[in-house]
Amino acid sequence: AQKITQTQPGMFVQEKEAVTLDCTYDTSDPSYGLFWYKQPSSGEMIFLIYQGSYDQQNATEGRYSLNFQKARKSANLVISASQLGDSAMYFCAMRDVETGTTGNQFYFGTGTSLTVIP
Amino acid sequence: DTAVSQTPKYLVTQMGNDKSIKCEQNLGHDTMYWYKQDSKKFLKIMFSYNNKELIINETVPNRFSPKSPDKAHLNLHINSLELGDSAVYFCASSRGTSGRETQYFGPGTRLLVL
Repeated sequence: AQKITQTQPGMFVQEKEAVTLDCTYDTSDPSYGLFWYKQPSSGEMIFLIYQGSYDQQNATEGRYSLNFQKARKSANLVISASQLGDSAMYFCAMRDVETGTTGNQFYFGTGTSLTVIP
Repeated sequence: DTAVSQTPKYLVTQMGNDKSIKCEQNLGHDTMYWYKQDSKKFLKIMFSYNNKELIINETVPNRFSPKSPDKAHLNLHINSLELGDSAVYFCASSRGTSGRETQYFGPGTRLLVL
């Protein structure tokens, strides 16, 4: 079963506008971490933001914020004041302990390609 | 200073060859990983080592063999390369294995098998 779902294969946003990238997840583990990564066309994977399942407040890092809705199992990334350099693939990821094991698994979604229009 | 480094950055080789990709991290992390990213950008974990011990070994052909000589290094050796092995391979590391630990990625190795 898909652990992380990103339903938007591609998104467009006007420069200086805000954009929300959707991410839903599936886990029965009460303790988990949610992550967003950015992959520009140069190919590297850049860590953006983290949200823990027990964190009371939504995570923020500069222009990035995470809209964490635990009951709905969603962890949407909000980018405010979009810049041309924000054009990239964005991956949502989750880390939990797979049920019945002690091993820690890290799952990625299929990504959303964001294009910022001047 | 590069936190997670991989060599080579590009690798073009013939089918049937054996090749290695090296990974080093200078973050003092205990856990290291190998991922494969296919042409559709899908990222899938292959292996994970914690303190030089294998903890995740996903369904990967046994032509792929990871080797961790110490906590700072996790190399990937691939035997008898096939066309389908063409992909970008990412090394990553994290401080530990708990749900809170962020993974930091290397720049990737672009492997093309001809």
